[in-house]
Amino acid sequence: EADIYQTPRYLVIGTGKKITLECSQTMGHDKMYWYQQDPGMELHLIHYSYGVNSTEKGDLSSESTVSRIRTEHFPLTLESARPSHTSQYLCASSMSGKTGELFFGEGSRLTVL
Amino acid sequence: AQSVTQLGSHVSVSEGALVLLRCNYSSSVPPYLFWYVQYPNQGLQLLLKYTSAATLVKGINGFEAEFKKSETSFHLTKPSAHMSDAAEYFCAVSRAVMNRDDKIIFGKGTRLHILP
Repeated sequence: EADIYQTPRYLVIGTGKKITLECSQTMGHDKMYWYQQDPGMELHLIHYSYGVNSTEKGDLSSESTVSRIRTEHFPLTLESARPSHTSQYLCASSMSGKTGELFFGEGSRLTVL
Repeated sequence: AQSVTQLGSHVSVSEGALVLLRCNYSSSVPPYLFWYVQYPNQGLQLLLKYTSAATLVKGINGFEAEFKKSETSFHLTKPSAHMSDAAEYFCAVSRAVMNRDDKIIFGKGTRLHILP
């Protein structure tokens, strides 16, 4: 089983609140990713990191930000949540040289009222 | 640019019947191709991966996929469906770039329903 964990699994908050979605992996993977998943749609890459202190924006524009201070930790933050941010957020990790072999967390389902 | 198209957002098969989930890809360079499965309330899990070795790739849980360059296809099959196969399946593509990883592009997914 993959050792990658996301918290919270479910979150319902009001508009304007700041939220942080946590993601941690214990596999020593150097690469980590955040995807946004909506029903019937492709998974969209919103952020990725190739190592500590490395973060890049993905293909889908997102108002969220990420940080990678430690190898195992890749949190995603929304400074001011809006209803348009309602979605499922999936964190994943992989090892360099293992193209496409991503390990996913169980996801964080965010609902903004 | 690369992309994948999964034909059919929902597929229903009877228990014990053949499972066939279709995926066509577009890539200007030799691709790596993948199938992932997502069970309810879980993250995605890698089923199998094509990396230009054998064109017929075997994965977990009895699934396999065949890379057909002439048809730009990478369809997923299983000879006999089981109730536990009910899930969402994602086809994905990445560029096969020597000594460098590349981002993976996912399809929209196909939800597989198993009828008793």
